Amino acid sequence: ETGVTQTPRHLVMGMTNKKSLKCEQHLGHNAMYWYKQSAKKPLELMFVYNFKEQTENNSVPSRFSPECPNSSHLFLHLHTLQPEDSALYLCASSQDKVGNTIYFGEGSWLTVV
Amino acid sequence: AQSVTQLGSHVSVSEGALVLLRCNYSSSVPPYLFWYVQYPNQGLQLLLKYTSAATLVKGINGFEAEFKKSETSFHLTKPSAHMSDAAEYFCAVSDYGGSQGNLIFGKGTKLSVKP
Repeated sequence: ETGVTQTPRHLVMGMTNKKSLKCEQHLGHNAMYWYKQSAKKPLELMFVYNFKEQTENNSVPSRFSPECPNSSHLFLHLHTLQPEDSALYLCASSQDKVGNTIYFGEGSWLTVV
Repeated sequence: AQSVTQLGSHVSVSEGALVLLRCNYSSSVPPYLFWYVQYPNQGLQLLLKYTSAATLVKGINGFEAEFKKSETSFHLTKPSAHMSDAAEYFCAVSDYGGSQGNLIFGKGTKLSVKP
């Protein structure tokens, strides 16, 4: 059983819809991450939150909007997405210290139609 | 800045054969290095991690990796492949330049195991 839980596991949405991905970690970590994994592309870091504060935003389009209400929960709000945004979105957590292991959830498969 | 390069996007071995997945890193500071595995339709799972305590690191499922500073390498090996090892493997290095806890991942190597 993973310490990082993501819901939903699968999501199909139209380009005009608004949806959210949810992530919860039960590991007592202080940093949480959103990664995007597309076919034939390396894992892309999207956002990093440390103690609920966003510390990194890797030039992610504004149609992706993260929210971190507390150290255990992380959301990714989605609106007016494009078909090329279809991918596996992975949430992860760690202690925010160099060398610490990052623990991943099982991912949310997003298909934009 | 740190980076990792995984040679070979796809490796195929026969069941029982040696598995060798290559990873080279670039780091201006002593690195922390990781190997993760991703099974189909799942997230990434830690296989093993190098933290400078020992150059030969043993991980789960019979995998191990050796840190070679002179070659800037951290190759992953397993003496005898099993069908259940078919997955994608990612090498990663700690990102000293960004968020402290972040990792920089390679592009991944997909391992196929033939019966």
